[in-house]
Amino acid sequence: GENVEQHPSTLSVQEGDSAVIKCTYSDSASNYFPWYKQELGKRPQLIIDIRSNVGEKKDQRIAVTLNKTAKHFSLHITETQPEDSAVYFCAASGGNTGFQKLVFGTGTRLLVSP
Amino acid sequence: SAVISQKPSRDICQRGTSLTIQCQVDSQVTMMFWYRQQPGQSLTLIATANQGSEATYESGFVIDKFPISRPNLTFSTLTVSNMSPEDSSIYLCSVATRRDTEAFFGQGTRLTVV
Repeated sequence: GENVEQHPSTLSVQEGDSAVIKCTYSDSASNYFPWYKQELGKRPQLIIDIRSNVGEKKDQRIAVTLNKTAKHFSLHITETQPEDSAVYFCAASGGNTGFQKLVFGTGTRLLVSP
Repeated sequence: SAVISQKPSRDICQRGTSLTIQCQVDSQVTMMFWYRQQPGQSLTLIATANQGSEATYESGFVIDKFPISRPNLTFSTLTVSNMSPEDSSIYLCSVATRRDTEAFFGQGTRLTVV
């Protein structure tokens, strides 16, 4: 089945810096890659997603890139703010794992210091 | 989008007992899923709740321990049976309306087994 690896496990940056989180996946048939943000005690919330027919997607300060050949995708957050502090999860679905069955990475705890 | 109501939000249970968690969605959805999130960990899929048929369980999860019902397209329950302290986790239901689109999560049920 699908396996998703995520790095780093923790990331500390200063406010205004950029943050990059990287994920790799194993199932070349996976075709949907969402990123979720989970604040302490809250449910995961989708922040951005990308499909396998697209190489890059941006939404204000957040961008995601996908390299299908290398089977990795990354989350980029620019001009980080303290409210960006949370745990971020990448996920993969589709292909052999089936419709919308998400396989999550291990998570990255992002701390943005003022 | 989909609005999910999950209850209870938290519970403290005695070992050996069972707890049933309910997930109600404000619209009909094709796919409903149950995830477990152990303290400080990522989300792991327990099973896919299929309307009108038995749930499909992931490796490591069995029906006797986690029976699931899905009587219609807006409701599902997960029961955690014969609980032990190792079952202490957050349990989340998730729904998806279409392939390759956002998966929405309930607010989670924080279960503590003593």
